Amino acid sequence: AQTVTQSQPEMSVQEAETVTLSCTYDTSENNYYLFWYKQPPSRQMILVIRQEAYKQQNATENRFSVNFQKAAKSFSLKISDSQLGDTAMYFCAFMGGRLVGGGADGLTFGKGTHLIIQP
Amino acid sequence: KAGVTQTPRYLIKTRGQQVTLSCSPISGHRSVSWYQQTPGQGLQFLFEYFSETQRNKGNFPGRFSGRQFSNSRSEMNVSTLELGDSALYLCASSPGVQGAGQPQHFGDGTRLSIL
Repeated sequence: AQTVTQSQPEMSVQEAETVTLSCTYDTSENNYYLFWYKQPPSRQMILVIRQEAYKQQNATENRFSVNFQKAAKSFSLKISDSQLGDTAMYFCAFMGGRLVGGGADGLTFGKGTHLIIQP
Repeated sequence: KAGVTQTPRYLIKTRGQQVTLSCSPISGHRSVSWYQQTPGQGLQFLFEYFSETQRNKGNFPGRFSGRQFSNSRSEMNVSTLELGDSALYLCASSPGVQGAGQPQHFGDGTRLSIL
């Protein structure tokens, strides 16, 4: 079974600063996908960014980018020019790439990092 | 395009009762997954349905069950409710099965409280 670890329960930065959230994972699978989701107080889980394990290029979505280190099993999220609306719980998630034999076991989530953007 | 719709938003039950939660996926999405979110255990996978068939199931007792209809709408049922079942239940949909790597899109969840 795979595990996802987020070592920072809470982080606080000033508006406009850059912040990096850490995530490590453990798996024996070679084909998988990694995601970052944010969950604001409204509680809806919103996809931030997605990375395919077989792609070496780091994914980028506007102010959000990842540093994917497959050998180290590390998948950190960098938020540039942070905004007040970025305040939320951020979850790192893993999904295996098996399509047969029962398929993937759903998303495996880390415990989350509570990110607070201060004005 | 409408997002994932979960009903009801809030539910209060007592121990021993049963409950049914509903989830309507994004139009065209055929995979529906359910997750339980609690402060202690975090987010845990319950099960996935695709084309009316359960493909995967997480490590939950048989009191937790679900089904999917031909229009891809899904229901989750919990019988003989226990205090520990109090949680936010999230539904997520995607066009294809888990393992294909497509992002899952989540609903707002149903907050279930057991008294």
